[in-house]
Parts: sequence; structure tokens; C-alpha cells
Amino acid sequence: EAQVTQNPRYLITVTGKKLTVTCSQNMNHEYMSWYRQDPGLGLRQIYYSMNVEVTDKGDVPEGYKVSRKEKRNFPLILESPSPNQTSLYFCASSPTPGQTYEQYFGPGTRLTVT
Amino acid sequence: AQSVAQPEDQVNVAEGNPLTVKCTYSVSGNPYLFWYVQYPNRGLQFLLKYITGDNLVKGSYGFEAEFNKSQTSFHLKKPSALVSDSALYFCAVREYSGAGSYQLTFGKGTKLSVIP
Repeated sequence: EAQVTQNPRYLITVTGKKLTVTCSQNMNHEYMSWYRQDPGLGLRQIYYSMNVEVTDKGDVPEGYKVSRKEKRNFPLILESPSPNQTSLYFCASSPTPGQTYEQYFGPGTRLTVT
Repeated sequence: AQSVAQPEDQVNVAEGNPLTVKCTYSVSGNPYLFWYVQYPNRGLQFLLKYITGDNLVKGSYGFEAEFNKSQTSFHLKKPSALVSDSALYFCAVREYSGAGSYQLTFGKGTKLSVIP
């Protein structure tokens, strides 16, 4: 089944404790992206990747890191999480960044930072 | 810079009645427009898109959207609402952001409640 998977689905952590949220897609998509969803703000893009070893900042990149060492994986890293990073996070992918394809979304990761 | 506005936080409609979820956009070039739906505790699912051509676009689950260039709108419609259509709906616009990359900007979402 074609899908985008994220792990963990739920995470409660404390301020300053490094964490990684994994994202993997099995559709051989070139483009991958991370979003955060907050009430009243919709989805905001954190980082995106056009292909392996190519990443760039989205609208709200502060406090986050990403890497794209393999085409299928695009982990989101919070080196020192803070309470304002409590949010619902979505990973997404699409076949080619320059085309008019829709994005496929993962199920989401709900992160709480205390 | 591109932007998307969904003027209604919530839309309530009776089952069987037609529904409309509004979206207006602002882009500097040709708009590529999308609608996504999010059911509770799920990720976003693609509904439909407008790239070019016919202004009336048909999508999944009986939804359609009408592109209106003069009003810069892309409203989502369905002739007869179902209770199962109750969800959060997002409008999005894609724009070229330089260096061969594209960015998808989402509206804040509209919660649709279909009342039995």
C-alpha cells in the first residue's frame, strides 16, 4: 500500500530533551516536507526537501533540523524542544516538486513538550 | 507572497442540503489550487485540484470546486451533504518560490459540520 508513515504517533517529552520524529514514504517520491498544525493557524511548512541531500527552510524552521540521506526517509529533529513546539506534525511527499502533483500526508505526530 | 483565506472558521449545514466552503487566494502568477480534507485523528487527504482548463473541477467523494479568476476564489461545493462529510477542510495554493522549488501555502481551515 502506498503510504507515508510517521513515528511515533504520540510523544510527550520535557524541555531540552532531543527527539527525532521519523517519516518514511514508499512511493519513490522526490519531494518531502514537514508541516506543523496549530489551532487557528492552519498548516505551516517547517522544512522541505527537493531530493536526496537537498533541503530548505519553510516558513517556520526555527528550532528544527532535517536530513535527507535516503530518498524514502525525511526525519525531523528537535535538538532542544521547547513548549512552543507543542503541536501536531505532518510529513508529506509528492512525486516531483516542479509538477502539479498533490501531496500525500502521513497520519500525524502529536507532540507535547512540558 | 502568496496567501489563502478561508473566511469561515465553521460551516453548519443540514444533511441533504448543498454545501459551500469558501476560499480566496492571492498569487502573483497562475494559481495552482488544491482542496484537502482532514477527518478527526487523521492526516490530510487530497480532494481535488485546479491547474488549468475547465473552471469546474470534480474531485473525490462527490465534491467539486469552482475556480473564478475575476473573484480570485476557489469555493468547494457539494450538491447534497452527508453526515460523513463532517471534517476540517483546507484550501491551498502552490507557487514557485525560487531555485526550482515550490511551496504550498494552506488556509487556516474550515470546520464543516453536517447536521442529521
